Amino acid sequence: GQQVMQIPQYQHVQEGEDFTTYCNSSTTLSNIQWYKQRPGGHPVFLIQLVKSGEVKKQKRLTFQFGEAKKNSSLHITATQTTDVGTYFCAGPSTGNQFYFGTGTSLTVIP
Amino acid sequence: DADVTQTPRNRITKTGKRIMLECSQTKGHDRMYWYRQDPGLGLRLIYYSFDVKDINKGEISDGYSVSRQAQAKFSLSLESAIPNQTALYFCATGTGRYNEQFFGPGTRLTVL
Repeated sequence: GQQVMQIPQYQHVQEGEDFTTYCNSSTTLSNIQWYKQRPGGHPVFLIQLVKSGEVKKQKRLTFQFGEAKKNSSLHITATQTTDVGTYFCAGPSTGNQFYFGTGTSLTVIP
Repeated sequence: DADVTQTPRNRITKTGKRIMLECSQTKGHDRMYWYRQDPGLGLRLIYYSFDVKDINKGEISDGYSVSRQAQAKFSLSLESAIPNQTALYFCATGTGRYNEQFFGPGTRLTVL
């Protein structure tokens, strides 16, 4: 079956450092979405990418969709304590299912 | 999102008991989903429904059943709970061409 893997599983950074999480799918994705889950909270939609090679920015967050549409990345510049949480990528599969990645848990040390 | 509600928020039960988790939404979305979250495994899809008459198994449906009572209500049942069903359960709705998902607050279930 389809698999969506993310690396790293955990990341600890000093406040102000950059952070990147990578998402890799075993199959080509028609689109990819990113979600953020704060500690004790629920996943919240951040963005979706549709086109091959697409890059989108939200303030300090940069999202990229790979040329082959099988991988994606989320980069945070100059992390802040408000960035703490788990970041998930997600994408559709055939048969209308929806697969979430394994997530990257980000800890920001003040 | 407050538009997707789940009850109960926490539940402790014993092995063999029947449990029902309920989800309601006021978003007017046709698509609804049940996921479970376990540490290190992300979110895994249990069941999903695209309308009242459409129910589909997800990645890990064994041991679970669902009922779509109305467009706004989607319930998840554990007919005979077992300890490895201890997890955080999320209901979500989906909308749009690319199925953006809106999650409820989650139900933390512990099976002893």
